[in-house]
Amino acid sequence: DAGITQSPRHKVTETGTPVTLRCHQTENHRYMYWYRQDPGHGLRLIHYSYGVKDTDKGEVSDGYSVSRSKTEDFLLTLESATSSQTSVYFCATAPDRVRGGSIFGDGTRLSIL
Amino acid sequence: ELKVEQNPLFLSMQEGKNYTIYCNYSTTSDRLYWYRQDPGKSLESLFVLLSNGAVKQEGRLMASLDTKARLSTLHITAAVHDLSATYFCAVDMIQGAQKLVFGQGTRLTINP
Repeated sequence: DAGITQSPRHKVTETGTPVTLRCHQTENHRYMYWYRQDPGHGLRLIHYSYGVKDTDKGEVSDGYSVSRSKTEDFLLTLESATSSQTSVYFCATAPDRVRGGSIFGDGTRLSIL
Repeated sequence: ELKVEQNPLFLSMQEGKNYTIYCNYSTTSDRLYWYRQDPGKSLESLFVLLSNGAVKQEGRLMASLDTKARLSTLHITAAVHDLSATYFCAVDMIQGAQKLVFGQGTRLTINP
């Protein structure tokens, strides 16, 4: 019953190349988020979206851009990947401001050599 | 800047024992979330605490929130091996938007 699907699940690429990660949801949730997880840091918010074409920056947005052209899809782009962006990336969604906690996808493990 | 600190970061305990994980945060917020993460897996929502004094329980886990002290606790009662995981607390940066700031996580190992 995976309401959130991230693709790809694993990717290895080289420094300087562009990378796009995709998050697809079937929950019809308004809010979508991209986090990165690194040892010792917990999860940190990169960007988030509060509706189609409405996005904003999080804690660690430098070097990342996002787009949301449909409710169900939220794309994260690394314009020119660097080794410091090697991480596990999680997409999350939330229905509204009150109910429940965010629902997380299974993550994308990205390695930049 | 909102900071969220958990302690301890590592906890090894025996089955059957009780223990508490603490989550302190630096600025006013009345929404706090607890998540569980198994190795290599996603995060699973455990509790959503939405007001001062909120207490929620699920099985052997109980979470509480004291907004005046800016403190939440996750209490484990009579631990069992299946509770071994990493536990994260998270606080809204902007109240209600679920722009979450996470603690570093507490890696809990429960030994038979």
